[in-house]
Order: sequence, then C-alpha cells, then structure tokens
Amino acid sequence: KNQVEQSPQSLIILEGKNCTLQCNYTVSPFSNLRWYKQDTGRGPVSLTIMTFSENTKSNGRYTATLDADTKQSSLHITASQLSDSASYICVVSGPPGGSYIPTFGRGTSLIVHP
Amino acid sequence: NAGVTQTPKFQVLKTGQSMTLQCAQDMNHEYMSWYRQDPGMGLRLIHYSVGAGITDQGEVPNGYNVSRSTTEDFPLRLLSAAPSQTSVYFCASSYSKSGVTYEQYFGPGTRLTVT
Repeated sequence: KNQVEQSPQSLIILEGKNCTLQCNYTVSPFSNLRWYKQDTGRGPVSLTIMTFSENTKSNGRYTATLDADTKQSSLHITASQLSDSASYICVVSGPPGGSYIPTFGRGTSLIVHP
Repeated sequence: NAGVTQTPKFQVLKTGQSMTLQCAQDMNHEYMSWYRQDPGMGLRLIHYSVGAGITDQGEVPNGYNVSRSTTEDFPLRLLSAAPSQTSVYFCASSYSKSGVTYEQYFGPGTRLTVT
C-alpha cells in the first residue's frame, strides 16, 4: 500500500529560526511530489511541486528537496515568521496511466513563537 | 477568477437528514475531488471525477454520492447523515493528464456537524 510518512508530527520554533520538515514515501514509481501549507480553518495551498527528475524547488523562503533514490523529501523554511504557523502536508502522485488518487501525508504542525 | 468555491461554510444536521455540499470551480479543470479531514487523520479522498459525466470512488465513499453534469460543478450528497460524518469537507480541482494529478486547488472547506 502506498504510504507517505511525515516527521516530526509537530514542531515549535522561535521566530527567525530555520526548520526542516521531512517526508518519506513508498509510492514508486511516482510522477510528482507536492508540499502544501494549510492554515487553521482554511484549505491547503500549494507551496511547491516537483517531478521525479527534479532535486530542488524554491518558493520564497520555502525550499523543497527530493531524493528519489531514498524516497525522501524535505521542506526547509528559512527565517521563520509568525505567519508560517500552519500544517504542512506532503502529497505524492502515482505514475502516468495509474490511479488518479494521490497519497497524502498526515502533515506536520508547525508553531512559530515570537 | 474565484478558484474553487464551496457552500455552505458551516452546517449542522440531525442524524438521518440529507444534504448537498456544493463545489464549483472556474479554472476549467477536468479533475475534481472531495476530501474529508478529521483530526490526526489527514485528508482522505471520498469521491473524484476526471471529467463531466465520469465519477469514481476514493478511499471512504460510503454514505456519499456525487455527480458531475458540468465541468464547473461537483456536488457531494450525504444520503442519511450519521455522527461519523462530522468532519471538515474540502473540494479540490486540478489539471490532470494520463492518470497524473498535478497541482490541486482547494476550496475553503465546509465544517459539518451531525448530532
């Protein structure tokens, strides 16, 4: 069964610090891996999308990396801000011709304190 | 360009009642889907559609029906509400091709409570 495991489950950091969130997956082969940010009470919003051939993708202070060999991805947040407090979700889509159903991780809850 | 819209934002139902959650998108995406999100569970797929007239079941379809008569609209019907269906429901749309789902755009969610 395809799985996406995220760690840590929750994280508390001080404003201005950097942090890294992890995503391990078993979906193989896959077509793309996406990171979403979900603020409390809102729908998820896309941060990055990477195909299997990409190693890194940035979106402002957010940088996602992908190692398809080890089936790991990370999301690095630089110089955190209070507005970064949210849940971050990793999603993996299967190969072309396969199921349309992507596999979602349960998310990492990030709290940024002043 | 409104993106993905959902109505209502909040709803309280009594056990056994039926209702329809509305979802619409104006991005001409072929792929639309419904998820429910429960604490500690992450997003779980209920039903999805790869185009008008085509729907399929996701991971947790029991108790829900969908139809897709137009590209824009994808309503979710609860046939006979149960307390286990208390959840936050998200509709999403995306470009998809050959079974691959690309960037998904999510609606703001509907918070449903069944008493």
